[in-house]
Amino acid sequence: KNQVEQSPQSLIILEGKNCTLQCNYTVSPFSNLRWYKQDTGRGPVSLTIMTFSENTKSNGRYTATLDADTKQSSLHITASQLSDSASYICVAPSGTYKYIFGTGTRLKVLA
Amino acid sequence: KAGVTQTPRYLIKTRGQQVTLSCSPISGHRSVSWYQQTPGQGLQFLFEYFSETQRNKGNFPGRFSGRQFSNSRSEMNVSTLELGDSALYLCASSLGSTTGVDEQFFGPGTRLTVL
Repeated sequence: KNQVEQSPQSLIILEGKNCTLQCNYTVSPFSNLRWYKQDTGRGPVSLTIMTFSENTKSNGRYTATLDADTKQSSLHITASQLSDSASYICVAPSGTYKYIFGTGTRLKVLA
Repeated sequence: KAGVTQTPRYLIKTRGQQVTLSCSPISGHRSVSWYQQTPGQGLQFLFEYFSETQRNKGNFPGRFSGRQFSNSRSEMNVSTLELGDSALYLCASSLGSTTGVDEQFFGPGTRLTVL
């Protein structure tokens, strides 16, 4: 069964600290994995898209890793800011058109 | 370049009514996908339109339908609304390429509340 699982479900950290979010996927055939940031009440915004040949990709303070052998991805946030408070969603396309979404990790950054 | 726009942003309906939501994609994008997002289920794929044709469909009942116009704008219709249809409805546009990575850009969503 194609699915994407994320952990933790929620996370609270202090401003300035780093954190890592996890995503495990079982999607076949696998082509790429995406991380989105979604602010409350807004649409998701793409952070990174990684193909199976890429194992690290950065977007500012966001760094995503991909291990195609273990079917795991992580999103590392460096020096967190209050504006990082959001839900982070891991997504993998299944087949040509369908997308399988994780249920997301809700991150809260406290001052 | 303007982003994806959705109208209306908020909508309140009662059970049994029907509703039509609209999505205008980024200029040049030919694919529009619709998603339902609820706290319990997360984002779920409804359907995708490409060049006025439904290219794929998720596991939703026939009460959920859509269409796409020649200018790539898309509408989604839900008939005989149920309380469980209360959700954030998101549309995403992309070039629609089936080779390589086809990046999707999401709109702000329409918040539908069914009373």
